[in-house]
Amino acid sequence: ETGVTQTPRHLVMGMTNKKSLKCEQHLGHNAMYWYKQSAKKPLELMFVYSLEERVENNSVPSRFSPECPNSSHLFLHLHTLQPEDSALYLCASSQEGGLEGYGYTFGSGTRLTVV
Amino acid sequence: KQEVTQIPAALSVPEGENLVLNCSFTDSAIYNLQWFRQDPGKGLTSLLLIQSSQREQTSGRLNASLDKSSGRSTLYIAASQPGDSATYLCAVKGNDMRFGAGTRLTVKP
Repeated sequence: ETGVTQTPRHLVMGMTNKKSLKCEQHLGHNAMYWYKQSAKKPLELMFVYSLEERVENNSVPSRFSPECPNSSHLFLHLHTLQPEDSALYLCASSQEGGLEGYGYTFGSGTRLTVV
Repeated sequence: KQEVTQIPAALSVPEGENLVLNCSFTDSAIYNLQWFRQDPGKGLTSLLLIQSSQREQTSGRLNASLDKSSGRSTLYIAASQPGDSATYLCAVKGNDMRFGAGTRLTVKP
């Protein structure tokens, strides 16, 4: 496989469930990101793992918990979500540390519906 | 704080037209600018990446320009096709990555 792979593609979960989103990149990049995209809103950055350091957006509720076990894998653990958390969750990766940068590569996203 | 604006928010054109999408940003201290395409419910596909030292990039029918001093970038699409219908987003890389809200393009047969 090449690029950035996200699983599952679709997820329906109840408000009391616990689930995880998975992202894997095969590009040798050293930074990975979680974004949330709600209807008719710009992309919202949720979490960044860059050069093995976690940079967290303080406005993200604690019911979202990221995990980055190595530079190729990123997880987003979900628990006790709310219906307003329903959105498209996108993972991206990039190579950081160079003079200008190589741009971001995105996965296909996970469409999450909270019922 | 970097702000990225895309105008228009939506555009509808007949097939075959050449068109220009606009992106403006407030802070010229950027490393690069990237144009993406997004189909409904899908992820973002990178179209063109322009480094801060470059003025333009071309790929097939697409041409993107960058004018850092004026805080502007344009995406030119030649001979538009119905398959070009999608949302186009620009993103500016400074200390972090900032995205515009996108332009939703519809190309009518």
